Amino acid sequence: NAGVTQTPKFRILKIGQSMTLQCTQDMNHNYMYWYRQDPGMGLKLIYYSVGAGITDKGEVPNGYNVSRSTTEDFPLRLELAAPSQTSVYFCASSPWGSSSYEQYFGPGTRLTVT
Amino acid sequence: QKEVEQDPGPLSVPEGAIVSLNCTYSNSAFQYFMWYRQYSRKGPELLMYTYSSGNKEDGRFTAQVDKSSKYISLFIRDSQPSDSATYLCATPKGGGSGNTPLVFGKGTRLSVIA
Repeated sequence: NAGVTQTPKFRILKIGQSMTLQCTQDMNHNYMYWYRQDPGMGLKLIYYSVGAGITDKGEVPNGYNVSRSTTEDFPLRLELAAPSQTSVYFCASSPWGSSSYEQYFGPGTRLTVT
Repeated sequence: QKEVEQDPGPLSVPEGAIVSLNCTYSNSAFQYFMWYRQYSRKGPELLMYTYSSGNKEDGRFTAQVDKSSKYISLFIRDSQPSDSATYLCATPKGGGSGNTPLVFGKGTRLSVIA
């Protein structure tokens, strides 16, 4: 049982390039989330999904896109990378249920845009 | 006003000290509060969660909520070097129930010195 896995672990992008951050969970969780974490700034929600085919914007969605074609996968797409997108990106998942407050996080992807 | 405020520290204490980590929140509708622990270069993991007011204890850790002052605390007794991490408080956005996206504080970086 791998939990939440993210690839790549590290990436350096040039301004204007695009990339997809991969996230997969094997816990059959309905809910999945993308956060970014800047130094000393906590976690900010980018997008989340309540199930396959359903996504919604979080606090900081600009410059990002997501899709959820399967329960397991929730990729995050960066179009036209900008230096402001330099951050650590975390994917998380949680099971369905009114008392499901635990989110399970992946190890993160460290992205630098130069 | 931010929904959850947390002093980012850093906080450095000697081994064996009692540590107090604190957050304040703005929305009186918030009922569930979580503490996540994040080791360096890792994803956050849920440490404890509490509902409404009162205390919850788990080993050396105690989570406390004071709804009258909108104040949440995490106490660590007999702190160990292995407790060195960033501690983030969180609550479901808008006071929602399970699976609602979480709002995180900035996190407090704790170092326990042997």
